[in-house]
Amino acid sequence: RKEVEQDPGPFNVPEGATVAFNCTYSNSASQSFFWYRQDCRKEPKLLMSVYSSGNEDGRFTAQLNRASQYISLLIRDSKLSDSATYLCVVNPRAQSGSARQLTFGSGTQLTVLP
Amino acid sequence: DAGITQSPRHKVTETGTPVTLRCHQTENHRYMYWYRQDPGHGLRLIHYSYGVKDTDKGEVSDGYSVSRSKTEDFLLTLESATSSQTSVYFCAIRISGGAGDTQYFGPGTRLTVL
Repeated sequence: RKEVEQDPGPFNVPEGATVAFNCTYSNSASQSFFWYRQDCRKEPKLLMSVYSSGNEDGRFTAQLNRASQYISLLIRDSKLSDSATYLCVVNPRAQSGSARQLTFGSGTQLTVLP
Repeated sequence: DAGITQSPRHKVTETGTPVTLRCHQTENHRYMYWYRQDPGHGLRLIHYSYGVKDTDKGEVSDGYSVSRSKTEDFLLTLESATSSQTSVYFCAIRISGGAGDTQYFGPGTRLTVL
C-alpha cells in the first residue's frame, strides 16, 4: 500500500464549478500535511498547509480527518488558471537520524474547461 | 522564490556516460534533497543532505551518488547513466514553518538517456 494515495483523475470541470480532491495516508503518526500544486512541466509549489481544524485560503479549503487518515482540498468557483496537478503531501513523525522527509502522493490532475 | 537554481535545465546523454546535475541555493539552508519524478510514481527521494559532507540515501538511491562540499551546492551524479534514469530531477530545500517543515523546489532538470 502506498503511504499517500490520491485519485489520479483527471478531473475535468467547467469554469465556476466546485471540485474536491481526497487523499489518504497510511502513517497514523504523521505530523503535518500540505497541498502542493504543480503546473505542466514546472516544479511543485506549496499551495497551502492543512491544519487540524481545517483552513481556508480564498477559494481553497483544506480539511484533515485524523481518525480516518484523510485530507481533502475543496476548490470553489474554479478558474481556468486552477488547471494543474494537485499533490497531497505528508510529513511523517521524525525518527532518530531522519531528515523528516516529506512523502508525496502521485497527484490529482485537474482541468478547468471554459 | 527560495533562491534555488538547477543546472543544466535539459540534458540528453548516452547510456554509460557519467552525468552530474547541480543544485544551487542562496539562502544557507541546511537540508537539501534530490528527487526524481516519473509518471505514475510521483516524486521519489534519491538522496538528501543535512549539512556539508553529510548525506544519506533515499528510497531510490541505486545508481546515484551525491556530494555537498559547500552549503550552497548539492551535486547529483549518475556514474553510468541508464535509460531507466530518464526522468525529471528536482532539487529541494527544507524550510521550517508554523505548520511544520515544508520543501521548496528548484525548476527541475529534464534528463534523457538514449
